[in-house]
This record gives sequence, C-alpha cells and structure tokens, in this order.
Amino acid sequence: SQTIHQWPATLVQPVGSPLSLECTVEGTSNPNLYWYRQAAGRGLQLLFYSVGIGQISSEVPQNLSASRPQDRQFILSSKKLLLSDSGFYLCAWSAQKQFFGPGTRLTVL
Amino acid sequence: GEDVEQSLFLSVREGDSSVINCTYTDSSSTYLYWYKQEPGAGLQLLTYIFSNMDMKQDQRLTVLLNKKDKHLSLRIADTQTGDSAIYFCAENAGGNQFYFGTGTSLTVIP
Repeated sequence: SQTIHQWPATLVQPVGSPLSLECTVEGTSNPNLYWYRQAAGRGLQLLFYSVGIGQISSEVPQNLSASRPQDRQFILSSKKLLLSDSGFYLCAWSAQKQFFGPGTRLTVL
Repeated sequence: GEDVEQSLFLSVREGDSSVINCTYTDSSSTYLYWYKQEPGAGLQLLTYIFSNMDMKQDQRLTVLLNKKDKHLSLRIADTQTGDSAIYFCAENAGGNQFYFGTGTSLTVIP
C-alpha cells in the first residue's frame, strides 16, 4: 500500500531563516506530487505540483521554491522566511485520487 | 480557476443525519471527492464519485451528485462525536489539478 511521509511535523523558525520541508511517498512510482498551504482560514492554496523528476509547476509567485530530486521525493524550500509563511503545509500525491501527508505546522516568529 | 463552494459551518445533534453541501462550476469535472480533516492532521479521503454516477453509498456515508445543477452532497447517517471535523469537497477534471472547497466545519453536539 502507498504511504506518504512529511517531516518535520512541527517547526518554529525566525524570520529570515531558511526552510526545507521534505515529503516522500512509498509504494507507487512516478506519482504526481503537490505542495499545499493551509492558512488559519482553512482553505487550501496550491503552491507547487510536479509530474516528474525535475518538473515543477508554480501556482503562486512567492519566496518559496520546490524541487523533486527523486521520483518519490518532493522538497519545499525558502532562502528567507517571512512572517506570512506561517501555516500548515500539506504534501499530496495523486493517481485519479489525491492522498495527503500528515502535514507540517510552520510558525515563523 | 474553478470555483468550489461550501457553507462554512454545520451543527447537528449526535444520532441525527448530517448533510454537507457543495457546488462547483467546472462542467467537465470527472471525479468529485469528499475529504475529512481532523484538527492538526492531513486530509483523509472519505469517498469519491465519478461524474457519470448519481449516488454512491458506503456504510454511513451517502454521496449524491446532481450534475445538471453542479451540486454534490455528503450525508452522514447516525452522526457521532467522532465525525466532528472539517469536510472538504474537491473536483478534478482528469488533469493534474484538484480544486478544493473552503471546507465545512461539522460540530456534533452530544
């Protein structure tokens, strides 16, 4: 069966510090991968999606970036965090249906 | 992008049925989904329906699809306190992108 992992589960970072969130999927090959952010207001904002290694589509211009160095690994990064980057970050993979990881709670102080 | 709309809040008494509604705008939607999110957790896929179906039942869950009105509903029979969560509907037209509603927060009153 397929599983999706995210880490860390929670993170508290100062403004201006770098960020690296990792997502890995097991039990499937060549999945579509996604990064979403869920702010306190609840809605999901699609940040990036990837249909293959090295292929990243950005949905929202901002100070975040994503990379897919391996088939089942998706990384969300930032060089300098802003206060507005705080939120709940969800990774997902899809094959007709979309499945989510447990999320990372990021607080930028 | 496509719009998917839901009411924000719903309260029901334990043992009653809950009906959560969703409307969407993309007439080419192929799949429609319901997800459940408990506090601090990721989204859990509850059920889904293909656009050529009108209804799907899975234990206490019943999904109804009115394709003409672009209306999707999730009925939870015999609602329990463990059903308290945020419920998201989502649609996909067969491409890479999934469009989510803003979520309905269901509160079950004991």
